[in-house]
Parts: sequence; C-alpha cells; structure tokens
Amino acid sequence: LAKTTQPISMDSYEGQEVNITCSHNNIATNDYITWYQQFPSQGPRFIIQGYKTKVTNEVASLFIPADRKSSTLSLPRVSLSDTAVYYCLVGDIQTSGTYKYIFGTGTRLKVLA
Amino acid sequence: ETGVTQTPRHLVMGMTNKKSLKCEQHLGHNAMYWYKQSAKKPLELMFVYNFKEQTENNSVPSRFSPECPNSSHLFLHLHTLQPEDSALYLCASSELDRGNYGYTFGSGTRLTVV
Repeated sequence: LAKTTQPISMDSYEGQEVNITCSHNNIATNDYITWYQQFPSQGPRFIIQGYKTKVTNEVASLFIPADRKSSTLSLPRVSLSDTAVYYCLVGDIQTSGTYKYIFGTGTRLKVLA
Repeated sequence: ETGVTQTPRHLVMGMTNKKSLKCEQHLGHNAMYWYKQSAKKPLELMFVYNFKEQTENNSVPSRFSPECPNSSHLFLHLHTLQPEDSALYLCASSELDRGNYGYTFGSGTRLTVV
C-alpha cells in the first residue's frame, strides 16, 4: 500500500505564505488531489481540489507538477485562525485494481503572532 | 453545520455496553463513510456505503457493525469494545463513492471506552 506522506508539523508567523507538500507516488491516473483542513474536535473541511498544474480559490492555491507524484497546498498570508491540521487525499490504485482513497499523514500547522 | 450531523457528540461506554452512533446527511449524497481518528494518527477508513450497499470494509473488527437503512442515514453499532477503540469517529458523505467528489464530514463522536 503506497503511503501518502506529509511533513508532521510546521510553524509560521501571521502574514506569511505557507506551503505544505504531500507526496503521493502511486496516485491513480484519473483521480484528483484534494486538501482538507481540520480543527480540534471537528471533522475535516474541504479546502481545494485539482488534477494538474495550478488551481486557485478564495482561500488557497494548489500546485501539481506534471508527474502528479506530489502536490503543494499554498496558504497566502496566514492568520492565527489557520492553525489546524491539513490533509491531502488521493486515489491510490491497489494491486487488486480497485481504488482506495488515502488520506495523508496530516501536517499540523501552527501560526504564531 | 456542514450538512452532516452526528450524534451523540460525546460517548463514554463500558466494555460490556452496547451503543450506537448515528449519522444523518441532508445533502442528497449517495455515499456515506465511517472513519476512525485516533490521537495523532491519520484518518482510517472503516466502512463505505454507496446507494445503501456496503462497498468497503477495511478489515474492521466485528465489534463494529454498520447499518445504512437509506442514503441519508448511517449507524455504527458498538458492542464489547476495547479501550484502544477510544477515538473520534467521523461520518462523511459524498455525491458518489469517489474521492473526486469531495467528502463532507460531520463533527464526529468522541468515544471513550472505559
């Protein structure tokens, strides 16, 4: 089972740009890459989704290289309220030919004043 | 409120008890999921239901028994649990049984087994 890996934790200061990378070496060809944000005692919340190149919405950007074996979530000008755990989610083809949707190991972002 | 409601929010149960977790979604989604989240661990998929049919069981012990009476409701029946089963249990739904469609999660049930 291929692992989807992320840095365990990151610290940043308010107003800075934060980039969190997810490695997914065995991503399924047709699947998207999705990122979620989770606050304590809450379920994860959808942030952004993309297939290739760059996607931008009102809260984040997602950069995906041509080989799609990694992706980078970019949070512009973070604030204290962005302190959370961030997960990537990708489809992973199993040896049986079925898909499993694998959440990354999660990155705990702490934004400092 | 995300559109996926889980009850109860907190549950403490003894190892010999039987209890049930409930999940309800009003999003018109056709797929529902149970995830387990232990302290400092990634989300672990337990069960997947697509159009009320169970499509995935990730080798979950039989002391966890899911039930999906319709596309809007999902239950997780618990019996003879172990202390290591203490965790946050999250329910999610999506339009179809594919990660591409995006999951909407509930706020979870914090379960403590004593």
